[in-house]
Amino acid sequence: KQEVTQIPAALSVPEGENLVLNCSFTDSAIYNLQWFRQDPGKGLTSLLLIQSSQREQTSGRLNASLDKSSGRSTLYIAASQPGDSATYLCAVRPGGGADGLTFGKGTHLIIQP
Amino acid sequence: DAGVIQSPRHEVTEMGQEVTLRCKPISGHNSLFWYRQTMMRGLELLIYFNNNVPIDDSGMPEDRFSAKMPNASFSTLKIQPSEPRDSAVYFCASKTGTAMNQPQHFGDGTRLSIL
Repeated sequence: KQEVTQIPAALSVPEGENLVLNCSFTDSAIYNLQWFRQDPGKGLTSLLLIQSSQREQTSGRLNASLDKSSGRSTLYIAASQPGDSATYLCAVRPGGGADGLTFGKGTHLIIQP
Repeated sequence: DAGVIQSPRHEVTEMGQEVTLRCKPISGHNSLFWYRQTMMRGLELLIYFNNNVPIDDSGMPEDRFSAKMPNASFSTLKIQPSEPRDSAVYFCASKTGTAMNQPQHFGDGTRLSIL
């Protein structure tokens, strides 16, 4: 059974710092990996989707990498801002045609002004 | 564009009552997912549909839970009878299946409290 782990569970940094969030998964037979953002009382917003054949994806100040063979992904946030404060969730879609996502428990990020 | 719409946003009811959660996916999306989020277990897939047909319901916790998708624009998740341990935030998500690597789009969830 696929398990997704996110480290750290919580992180608080001063504004302007670059930071890295980590995600690991136990079964490397994935179709893709997604990073989501969740704000309090809200649903999830998709940030980046990396196909299993890709190594990284970038969107603005965000960069996500994928090392499928080692079961790891990182989300890099450059020049953090208070508006980046949220919970960040990593999710994998299994290979073999199944479409449901398996999620990590998230990293709760606070950017101090 | 309207996103995924869930109703109600909040539901408080007593144990033993029937609860019905509703979801309207994004128009044109042909896959729909129901997830449950709790502090202890995080986000878990309950069931998903492709073209209104249930594909994988292995995440449905027990027979008290049932889900239907009578047409492409509406789905329900029903709990009968409800129990306090069903208290959670229930999310609906949809995606288009026309390309394999499309992200899922989530609604704002229904916060369910069973007393």
